[in-house]
Formats: sequence, C-alpha cells, structure tokens
Amino acid sequence: GQSLEQPSEVTAVEGAIVQINCTYQTSGFYGLSWYQQHDGGAPTFLSYNALDGLEETGRFSSFLSRSDSYGYLLLQELQMKDSASYFCARRDGQNFVFGPGTRLSVLP
Amino acid sequence: NAGVTQTPKFQVLKTGQSMTLQCAQDMNHNSMYWYRQDPGMGLRLIYYSASEGTTDKGEVPNGYNVSRLNKREFSLRLESAAPSQTSVYFCASSEVGAGNTIYFGEGSWLTVV
Repeated sequence: GQSLEQPSEVTAVEGAIVQINCTYQTSGFYGLSWYQQHDGGAPTFLSYNALDGLEETGRFSSFLSRSDSYGYLLLQELQMKDSASYFCARRDGQNFVFGPGTRLSVLP
Repeated sequence: NAGVTQTPKFQVLKTGQSMTLQCAQDMNHNSMYWYRQDPGMGLRLIYYSASEGTTDKGEVPNGYNVSRLNKREFSLRLESAAPSQTSVYFCASSEVGAGNTIYFGEGSWLTVV
C-alpha cells in the first residue's frame, strides 16, 4: 500500500515548538518529503529524508526512522506565518504520494 | 525564472463540456505530474510522466487524459466534465533522484456546474 497518515490539525502558540508526525506503509519506499501549503497557494518543498536521522534547515527539521516507518517535521520558534497545511509525501518509484495534510494554526 | 506555469488559473465548465489544462516547465525536468486537491484534503495523483513519450496512471485517472507533448509540456484533458471533477488542479515537475524536490505550478481552480 501507499497510504500515509498524519494528524488533521495541530495548534500551538507563537514561539513554541511543534512536531507533526507521519506514518507510512513501507512497500517500495524510497524517502519522505515535507511540503508547506498556505491557503490558496501551491505546495512548496521543505525537506527530504532518504536515510534515518535528522535533517535541519533553519527553524525546520525533519526526522526519519525507516525501521519504524515513521517520520516527523519539527518546527521551532513558531511564527504566525507558519500557519499553513503541512504534507508528508513518500517517493514511490517515479512518482510521489501525499498524505492528507496537517493544518497548523499558530496563535498569538 | 518561471518554473512551472499552468493555464488557465480559473475556469467554469458546464457538465459534459471538455477542456484542456496546459502546463509547461523550464527546469529541464524529466518527470511531470498532475494532481488534484479537494477542499481540506491532500493531493491525489491523476497521471504522471516519468520521461518524454511516457505517461502512467496515478491514483484517480478516470475521466482524464494526458499528453506529454515534449519535455517541457504536459497537458491534462477532461473529455466530458462532471461536477465531481470540481477541484484545484496542480501541475508539477521534478528530477527524481536528484534532490527529489517537486516544483508545483500555481494551480488551476476548476468548477463544473
């Protein structure tokens, strides 16, 4: 199977840290990506993990555990502009399958 | 730097009408995709093209056809539009294996009445 699961909504306050989890089915797995999408906009790439461990890009980090079929996106020092939907996506051969998305609301 | 360009941005169709969504990328990518996104939901793959001259079905291909005209262009056609095809359509491209980043167009908002 190709499905991915992530929480539908997460709420946090400005300045806090939030973790968005993603679990996936393992058949044909190559790697896990994360995308951000603001309302009315297009998804934009945040990170990609092919190997186990943590990838850090500024305030955003992404983690992958292939043995647990699990990954997460960690957002630090939350800002109001981080309010958006976040999607995990698995590379599946030549295409990419997306999770249902997690809507993050950052409160002042 | 245009990236992925898709047209039209907005379209209203009557049930049974046909239309083609156009997409072009200027990043010399081999792979191109069409996704649809329904309100509050994730992106579902309609068709993809791993290279010029090849196309493959994704998760929700019924009611759609595609053409990979050349390396730059990948069009999506609705032959007989249905209200269930009301959605936002995103074209995307990538170079699989080299960064694995998908670049998306701005989206096409399609309403079928």
